[in-house]
Amino acid sequence: IQMTQSPSTLSASVGDRVTITCRASQSISTWLAWYQQKPGKAPKFLIFKASSLVSGVPSRFSGSGSGTEFSLTISSLQPDDFATYYCQQYSSSSPWTFGQGTKVEIK
Amino acid sequence: EMHLLESGGGLIQPGGSVRLSCAVSGFTFGDYAMTWVRQAPGKGLEWVSVISGTGAYIYYADSVKGRFIISRENSRNTFFLQMNSLRADDTAVYYCAKFAFSVRDLRQYLEEAGGFDIWGQGTMVTVSS
Repeated sequence: IQMTQSPSTLSASVGDRVTITCRASQSISTWLAWYQQKPGKAPKFLIFKASSLVSGVPSRFSGSGSGTEFSLTISSLQPDDFATYYCQQYSSSSPWTFGQGTKVEIK
Repeated sequence: EMHLLESGGGLIQPGGSVRLSCAVSGFTFGDYAMTWVRQAPGKGLEWVSVISGTGAYIYYADSVKGRFIISRENSRNTFFLQMNSLRADDTAVYYCAKFAFSVRDLRQYLEEAGGFDIWGQGTMVTVSS
């Protein structure tokens, strides 16, 4: 299963609403996770099962979608949110593939 | 607090071998599947290998199948990645990580194990002559 994220890079300002899209090459139901990674750091687990927020993750992060189309939305971008975001599918048919990443940079 | 710590990286010649270790603390190690994920310089994340809580089920990415071996010692709260026949394209930061949810049978409940919730800081493996 191939995972394709768009855009590859996103320029935004603090306070903006930001949406990242992730498409699967075949249906994965809601078996999708999102991660945030900052330079030189390990990824941070944000969302699982497409829309379930990990404990401790700010509520400005939300996930949606099912089947082959998914999105991660940040409702009001904060300075700490400038990072690279990855989606990951974990469908049993061909598990644990990551998207190529979306870099959210300061406009 | 849950914690993972990798060790064993370094500079390895092409064709050589190295064993990575990941020592864990703060949770019941044997209840969770564990994984290795790598990231080549300037590139994205690539899943490498997974081992179930008991070690009964093991999975490899096609890119490492036949060259890498994952294992675990639950009595020592540690798991490993033996990397053989190393190539330049194996150069990457290697992260160990824990599955988010404990499942009785990873083969049957793979999806319910979820994503990877706790990660180590990573260890760099450079394959070069």
